[in-house]
Amino acid sequence: NFMLTQPHSVSESPGKTVTISCTRSSGSIASNYVQWYQQRPGSAPTTVIYEDNQRPSGVPDRFSGSIDSSSNSASLTISGLKTEDEADYYCQSYDSSNPWVFGGGTKLTVL
Amino acid sequence: EVQLVETGGGLIQPGGSLRLSCAASGFTVSSNYMSWVRQAPGKGLEWVSVIYSGGSTYYADSVKGRFTISRDNSKNTLYLQMNSLRAEDTAVYYCARPPYWGQGTLVTVSS
Repeated sequence: NFMLTQPHSVSESPGKTVTISCTRSSGSIASNYVQWYQQRPGSAPTTVIYEDNQRPSGVPDRFSGSIDSSSNSASLTISGLKTEDEADYYCQSYDSSNPWVFGGGTKLTVL
Repeated sequence: EVQLVETGGGLIQPGGSLRLSCAASGFTVSSNYMSWVRQAPGKGLEWVSVIYSGGSTYYADSVKGRFTISRDNSKNTLYLQMNSLRAEDTAVYYCARPPYWGQGTLVTVSS
């Protein structure tokens, strides 16, 4: 089984850009798509990025996803931060033996 | 418009059983893969089970042998039958058909 490791928390000021990383412990990050989910307090998760870098309709283009094979990690970048972006963010991927694997989540504080 | 509505949660004693339902609209359950994901109070997301369009099912080790995922094509509904419930199964249970999520239903296992 592989693991996805995220920072516990990040913080940044409104209007700035923040990047959240998600490092895969074994197997190539490029072999299986990565998804990113946003969960605001008291709410269900919503998808902000799927298939590494695709945005569902309705998700602003301030959200972008990428993968870096050299560090075996995926990243979620949020530009032009707004207070409404304050939430927990989870990365998720899979392989042939593990249908869904989640990262531990990153708490984003916009201060 | 895609909608997923979970029902069936509640308070149940350890060792008891519960069946969760996820009524889908805007797409056909049998043509997509669908998952159950849970979140214990104050914790991160944990994948529980998946059913693929062909009918294959997979489970997290923590629920294998106790939980059963199924679907009713005529009702366009996904189910999760949960038996031998334990305190550690207490969580909000979400159904998901990426990139869509339901709003969740709370299961509390306590005497």
